[in-house]
Amino acid sequence: GESVGLHLPTLSVQEGDNSIINCAYSNSASDYFIWYKQESGKGPQFIIDIRSNMDKRQGQRVTVLLNKTVKHLSLQIAATQPGDSAVYFCAEGSQGAQKLVFGQGTRLTINP
Amino acid sequence: SAVISQKPSRDICQRGTSLTIQCQVDSQVTMMFWYRQQPGQSLTLIATANQGSEATYESGFVIDKFPISRPNLTFSTLTVSNMSPEDSSIYLCSVEARGNEQFFGPGTRLTVL
Repeated sequence: GESVGLHLPTLSVQEGDNSIINCAYSNSASDYFIWYKQESGKGPQFIIDIRSNMDKRQGQRVTVLLNKTVKHLSLQIAATQPGDSAVYFCAEGSQGAQKLVFGQGTRLTINP
Repeated sequence: SAVISQKPSRDICQRGTSLTIQCQVDSQVTMMFWYRQQPGQSLTLIATANQGSEATYESGFVIDKFPISRPNLTFSTLTVSNMSPEDSSIYLCSVEARGNEQFFGPGTRLTVL
């Protein structure tokens, strides 16, 4: 079936550095993508989304890049802070279907 | 964004029993979703619950095992029936608001002995 996957299950970066989390998706019909952050013991928290008519979207310290040609999604976090330590999930969907398919997750650890 | 609460936050249950999880939203929403997150895993959609209609279940999930109620636009319940240790997971509800964005509750951590 369709799947959403990630290249790296774990990522460690130094505090203050930038981090990049990658995600590959396989459903070419997907036109909506979201990044979630999940801290221990909590539900996923919406970070940023992007629609397929865009290739880049920026938020506060975060940027999402979408490459539909190679079905690749990435989340860039600038100037990482200890509070950025969490598991990050990408999810894909289509505007007509509402439901989301989640990737496996990447654990980001920020080292002091 | 919507504020979502779940009850209970966690529970330890015996094999063969059932547990009903409640999800309350602070605003009226059309779409509510129930997910399962097994230990160390990603989220898997169990079903979509719309008010006034039967829930729509994903492949691998059936109504007899996971009955869902959606009595109004701010509330839903998920029951995990005849539980086994394999049902030990975090169960999360989410709602769709502000376009396609989904917001999640804090989850219910279930352990089945």
